[in-house]
Amino acid sequence: KAGVTQTPRYLIKTRGQQVTLSCSPISGHRSVSWYQQTPGQGLQFLFEYFSETQRNKGNFPGRFSGRQFSNSRSEMNVSTLELGDSALYLCASSARTSGGGWQTQYFGPGTRLLVL
Amino acid sequence: GENVEQHPSTLSVQEGDSAVIKCTYSDSASNYFPWYKQELGKGPQLIIDIRSNVGEKKDQRIAVTLNKTAKHFSLHITETQPEDSAVYFCAAGGTYKYIFGTGTRLKVLA
Repeated sequence: KAGVTQTPRYLIKTRGQQVTLSCSPISGHRSVSWYQQTPGQGLQFLFEYFSETQRNKGNFPGRFSGRQFSNSRSEMNVSTLELGDSALYLCASSARTSGGGWQTQYFGPGTRLLVL
Repeated sequence: GENVEQHPSTLSVQEGDSAVIKCTYSDSASNYFPWYKQELGKGPQLIIDIRSNVGEKKDQRIAVTLNKTAKHFSLHITETQPEDSAVYFCAAGGTYKYIFGTGTRLKVLA
């Protein structure tokens, strides 16, 4: 099976702009989670989508949003970019079901975002 | 709030020696504990995981132990090799989300 893919891999934006990142999960996986990774804060949970519905959300401002499509692909959007949004954004997919317990999360290579 | 503490933040060992990384979690509802290895320029890769109904799990040179009472879990790598050099993250699958530790940079010296 192909792994989790993320596009683009690198992105440079300026403050105030918005950005959309894309994630394609492993075939058959319906759960997609997004994380922000920075040297100072480590891996921070953004949100999880399952069957096109946001199931869980981390402690991030409303500028961070996401969605999931019927084919389980997911996008993450950050509006009004700030310098502090510079980070590696990771997507992870799992075979977790609607009522099931935790399943292994498989991570993509990430999108490195630099905000100038 | 929920958190996972991970120690040490950096660890240097000689090739062939063992390495131990420890994590402590706060959410008593946590029931799934994966360990990830992240190499430069790559996303985290799962290396081993354990569920709360198991106390220990081993996979070749890697083992994980869990003490639910103390809310501790540890990663043990034996016979370390230079390719084990990377950043290792523990995580706890809680009620609604994974909480990750802050990472341990492991350096295996040849």
